[in-house]
Amino acid sequence: GAVVSQHPSRVICKSGTSVKIECRSLDFQATTMFWYRQFPKQSLMLMATSNEGSKATYEQGVEKDKFLINHASLTLSTLTVTSAHPEDSSFYICSARDGSGGANEQFFGPGTRLTVL
Amino acid sequence: GENVEQHPSTLSVQEGDSAVIKCTYSDSASNYFPWYKQELGKGPQLIIDIRSNVGEKKDQRIAVTLNKTAKHFSLHITETQPEDSAVYFCAASIRAAGRRALTFGSGTRLQVQP
Repeated sequence: GAVVSQHPSRVICKSGTSVKIECRSLDFQATTMFWYRQFPKQSLMLMATSNEGSKATYEQGVEKDKFLINHASLTLSTLTVTSAHPEDSSFYICSARDGSGGANEQFFGPGTRLTVL
Repeated sequence: GENVEQHPSTLSVQEGDSAVIKCTYSDSASNYFPWYKQELGKGPQLIIDIRSNVGEKKDQRIAVTLNKTAKHFSLHITETQPEDSAVYFCAASIRAAGRRALTFGSGTRLQVQP
């Protein structure tokens, strides 16, 4: 099946710093990638949708200037949490959709646990 | 927008018994319904999915049923094993502005007692 990787798997940073998370589709080209946030014992909440070569579409309530998304190629999307604060501590998960054949399936990465001190 | 409700929030069964998780959705335009299994500290893994033109789909011990009229779909796991213990999420997808975003249910924590 399709494989999506994320890096890093875990990051701890100081308040006020920026953190970049990478999401890669390893064996397929992802025309669309999605970024989710998951708090403990809660469901996944969609943050934004990114299409290769265009600006990301953010969900209501998600600050685009705080969560910078770049989808520069068909296999890589990055999420940068700028000026991170403790309330940004969460589990960030990306997913990628295989653009071929009009498929709906989304394949998820293993997630990145961000802890902001 | 789409709203997906999932029940129960927790489910405990004995090994070998069946487990059923139910979801309802609000948008009749939704046409794709995947189920994900998430183990602690990991990303969700797609275990089965169903499209709106199909009423039932089965893959070994896992089956999903869809009732479009009632706008609900269910996950059935038979002959449960301890390794089935995890959090299960249902989701619904609608093609909105080409994004095909997923709306997730709140999750069901399944515990299979050996």
